[in-house]
Amino acid sequence: NAGVTQTPKFRVLKTGQSMTLLCAQDMNHEYMYWYRQDPGMGLRLIHYSVGEGTTAKGEVPDGYNVSRLKKQNFLLGLESAAPSQTSVYFCASSYPSGGKRPQHFGDGTRLSIL
Amino acid sequence: QKEVEQDPGPLSVPEGAIVSLNCTYSNSAFQYFMWYRQYSRKGPELLMYTYSSGNKEDGRFTAQVDKSSKYISLFIRDSQPSDSATYLCAMSASETSGSRLTFGEGTQLTVNP
Repeated sequence: NAGVTQTPKFRVLKTGQSMTLLCAQDMNHEYMYWYRQDPGMGLRLIHYSVGEGTTAKGEVPDGYNVSRLKKQNFLLGLESAAPSQTSVYFCASSYPSGGKRPQHFGDGTRLSIL
Repeated sequence: QKEVEQDPGPLSVPEGAIVSLNCTYSNSAFQYFMWYRQYSRKGPELLMYTYSSGNKEDGRFTAQVDKSSKYISLFIRDSQPSDSATYLCAMSASETSGSRLTFGEGTQLTVNP
């Protein structure tokens, strides 16, 4: 039972490069989320999706785009990477009523922007 | 000012100690309260969930919520080296609407054998 799988686990980019982070879940969850985790800031929501074909902005959406073309996948894109986007990125998924049911997290993607 | 404040530690205790972890918050709309545990280089995993005020116990773990003081706590009894991790509090105002969670920054705990 894989749960939430994030690809890649590590990546180093140069400023201005683009990349896509992939999240896949096998729990048939409706809701999916992208967070970033930074020292002193905790987990902050970037974008989220309440179903296939839908996306919404979270707390820190600038510089990121997302797509949810399939229910099981949620993609996070950086069009022009900046050093401020160096962080650990976590994907999570949950059933609706996630306030009552847990969000299940992947193990993160460690991204460095030089 | 952050909506959720959590002392980042680090906190170091001997094996067998009682550990107390705390968060304060400012948004009175929060009514769902969670504690997540995060091991090094892993994603957070749900440890405890509490709705509104009161206590909840699960084995060695007890979660307390005091909405009047906007204060939540997690107690770990008979702490073990395997409890060494970062503990994140999280809160939500609603069950629906994407169930967005607001997290504290986490407290790093080390339990020494």
